[in-house]
Amino acid sequence: GQQVMQIPQYQHVQEGEDFTTYCNSSTTLSNIQWYKQRPGGHPVFLIQLVKSGEVKKQKRLTFQFGEAKKNSSLHITATQTTDVGTYFCAGLHGTASKLTFGTGTRLQVTL
Amino acid sequence: DTEVTQTPKHLVMGMTNKKSLKCEQHMGHRAMYWYKQKAKKPPELMFVYSYEKLSINESVPSRFSPECPNSSLLNLHLHALQPEDSALYLCASSQEKGNTGELFFGEGSRLTVL
Repeated sequence: GQQVMQIPQYQHVQEGEDFTTYCNSSTTLSNIQWYKQRPGGHPVFLIQLVKSGEVKKQKRLTFQFGEAKKNSSLHITATQTTDVGTYFCAGLHGTASKLTFGTGTRLQVTL
Repeated sequence: DTEVTQTPKHLVMGMTNKKSLKCEQHMGHRAMYWYKQKAKKPPELMFVYSYEKLSINESVPSRFSPECPNSSLLNLHLHALQPEDSALYLCASSQEKGNTGELFFGEGSRLTVL
């Protein structure tokens, strides 16, 4: 079946440092979405990327979709304690009508 | 605040009990989903309803029985569960099936099976 892997599984940074999580699919994706889940919370949609090579920014967050549409990344500049949580990518494969969630990257930010 | 409401927030049940999880959305979304999430794992799709009809069942055991009474409501009926079914059960909705837009998740129902 389709697999979507994320690395790293866990990262601990000091506030102000940058953070990047990478998402890799075994097959080509139609689109990719990113979600954030705070500890004890539920996933919250961040963004959707559709086009090959697409780059989107939301304040300190930069999202990229690979040229081959098999990988994606989320980069956070100058992390803050409010960035703590688990970041999931979720890919839509071809004509499939369901998202496959990535394995997630848990981010811990300390002062 | 979430626009998808789930009840109860917490549920403890024995293996012989019958209980139900409820989900409601008033965004006019036509696709609704049940996901199961174990600790430190991603959400796993269980069921998808599109226009009130079951369109995807991810080979979920029959002790989980979904129901969509109308376009705003989604239930998950639970019967004879096992301790390994303990998890966070998330309901989500989207404008259309096919996940061409964002999923709106509820806060989840945390289930413990004793």
